[in-house]
Amino acid sequence: QVQLVQSGPEVKKPGASVRISCKASGITFSTYYMHWVRQAPGEGLAWMGIINPRGGSANYAQRFQGRITLARDTATSTFYMDLSSLNFDDTAVYYCAAVVAGREQQGFDYWGQGSLVTVSS
Amino acid sequence: IQLTQSPSSLSASVGDRVTITCRASQGIRTYLAWYQQKPGKAPKLLISAASTLQSGVPSRFSGSGSGTDFTLTISSLQPEDFATYYCQQLNSYPSGTFGQGTKVEIK
Repeated sequence: QVQLVQSGPEVKKPGASVRISCKASGITFSTYYMHWVRQAPGEGLAWMGIINPRGGSANYAQRFQGRITLARDTATSTFYMDLSSLNFDDTAVYYCAAVVAGREQQGFDYWGQGSLVTVSS
Repeated sequence: IQLTQSPSSLSASVGDRVTITCRASQGIRTYLAWYQQKPGKAPKLLISAASTLQSGVPSRFSGSGSGTDFTLTISSLQPEDFATYYCQQLNSYPSGTFGQGTKVEIK
């Protein structure tokens, strides 16, 4: 079955950067897109960006432009989300979410378990 | 595109019929999904294309609407349905804005 396994919790200082990984299994690498979504404590869901694993092209939400970079390693079916210049408001659970090609506008089918990033001085 | 869910929270009893609405700031055709999220867990896709129930989702869940107004209905609330529900618009894909959520609590 499809599994998205994310990296563990991180604690970072303001101004630092964080990298979160998301390893996909049970799904053919070329047949889906990977989104990233975050959820601040007690808050709702915020879409951050998408990466196409086939060519590596990415689109980002305007609010994160300049601070976010999405990447992938085709050899290991692993996706990465880098977020720089962290501030306290970036404390959140970060999710990767896969969308099957052909179902792009149907919703996010598969989700990772989430990775907690805490920004603290 | 902004999505506004109402109510933000509700209290209901097992067996109740529950309705949650999601209003879009502009027309999104039927590019709307509904998710269920339980504490400490990732969201789970319940409904796509406004009304298509995902495989394995109980038939007591249903969705309707098009354009700007959408509804998620739980026909007979079960103990495992107490959770937070989110709508998401995909008309402006790949961007997928979410509503602010509706928390369904036990009365």
